[in-house]
Amino acid sequence: DAGVTQSPTHLIKTRGQQVTLRCSPKSGHDTVSWYQQALGQGPQFIFQYYEEEERQRGNFPDRFSGHQFPNYSSELNVNALLLGDSALYLCASSLWGQTSLDTQYFGPGTRLTVL
Amino acid sequence: AQSVTQPDIHITVSEGASLELRCNYSYGATPYLFWYVQSPGQGLQLLLKYFSGDTLVQGIKGFEAEFKRSQSSFNLRKPSVHWSDAAEYFCAVGPLMDSSYKLIFGSGTRLLVRP
Repeated sequence: DAGVTQSPTHLIKTRGQQVTLRCSPKSGHDTVSWYQQALGQGPQFIFQYYEEEERQRGNFPDRFSGHQFPNYSSELNVNALLLGDSALYLCASSLWGQTSLDTQYFGPGTRLTVL
Repeated sequence: AQSVTQPDIHITVSEGASLELRCNYSYGATPYLFWYVQSPGQGLQLLLKYFSGDTLVQGIKGFEAEFKRSQSSFNLRKPSVHWSDAAEYFCAVGPLMDSSYKLIFGSGTRLLVRP
């Protein structure tokens, strides 16, 4: 049973570029959340997708957008990259409506470096 | 505002010694509390969680945590630390809706284990 997978593992971009990160949830999960973890910090919630719609959003600018596909996989897009966007981006999956019974699983993350 | 404070940035313990990692939270309602561990290059792994009921929670790898409402704390403990426990530990709090997770994380405590 595959857990949460993310691609790519590492990515280097320059300021002003755009980037797309991908996530496949754990088998059986239908909800995907994205977190940004800056160096030396805890993860910060970006947004969450369920039924192909953004359900919750953290305090991130509109440059951060996402998408969920019918197979529950998800993409995180960041436009007009800034140096401060350099971070580990974590994807987490869970089962909608089962928070007290199930667990949220995290992927290994994508390390984004903006030069 | 909701927040999580982990006052210790680094903690060093000898192998076989006991461990306590501190976590304090600020949250307006009954919190849902979590401890995660992150090894280098890895995603987050759930150690334990508290939703309700018994305030002493048992987790994986021999960890436990105690919820103390009067102190707004959820400290993580282990009676005997192993070298493999060296990692970064994160405390997190829900604003947990019935349907989905949206976690607020502390900034983490890095555990170093002396042989």
